[in-house]
Amino acid sequence: ETGVTQTPRHLVMGMTNKKSLKCEQHLGHNAMYWYKQSAKKPLELMFVYSLEERVENNSVPSRFSPECPNSSHLFLHLHTLQPEDSALYLCASSQEGTGNTIYFGEGSWLTVV
Amino acid sequence: TQLLEQSPQFLSIQEGENLTVYCNSSSVFSSLQWYRQEPGEGPVLLVTVVTGGEVKKLKRLTFQFGDARKDSSLHITAAQPGDTGLYLCAGADVTSGSRLTFGEGTQLTVNP
Repeated sequence: ETGVTQTPRHLVMGMTNKKSLKCEQHLGHNAMYWYKQSAKKPLELMFVYSLEERVENNSVPSRFSPECPNSSHLFLHLHTLQPEDSALYLCASSQEGTGNTIYFGEGSWLTVV
Repeated sequence: TQLLEQSPQFLSIQEGENLTVYCNSSSVFSSLQWYRQEPGEGPVLLVTVVTGGEVKKLKRLTFQFGDARKDSSLHITAAQPGDTGLYLCAGADVTSGSRLTFGEGTQLTVNP
């Protein structure tokens, strides 16, 4: 148990569906992240929220829409995805200013059919 | 863009053997972290090294941060099947602090 909880753990969706991934951290951290992990590729940083403000968006397509309503919760809204978006999506959190340690959730496996 | 190269990408060994995984970059990092990831799970932090030349031990695992803070190694002594997993190194950007650059990982399989 890392203190970062992701739901759902597995999601299968059609290309026309709208779904959301949810992340909750119980560590009192002030920064949250979405990463994408695909086979044979390094972890890709998608979005960073610091103090509930989006501070980084690494050229992610608009079909991925993040939302951070408070410092403990992070969502990734999914719409009109493509099969190549199938991957493990990892949420993470950290306390900025106290070092660089980030803690990951267990991930949400997404399959787009 | 900072890049981290891990080697080897794949490693399959017998129980009891020793192994070393390397993480190299041309960039300087403020710190470097090692994670272990099992199939279907998120990466779990093993250690963070901060000082150039630093050596940290975690049971049979020994981590070293290069003097110039550009590279790191992970040495496992007497590997066990439970050590099987994907080992990831991640370097923290000197300027932006908490932004991590990940290597591609080393997939380790320890056969009984």
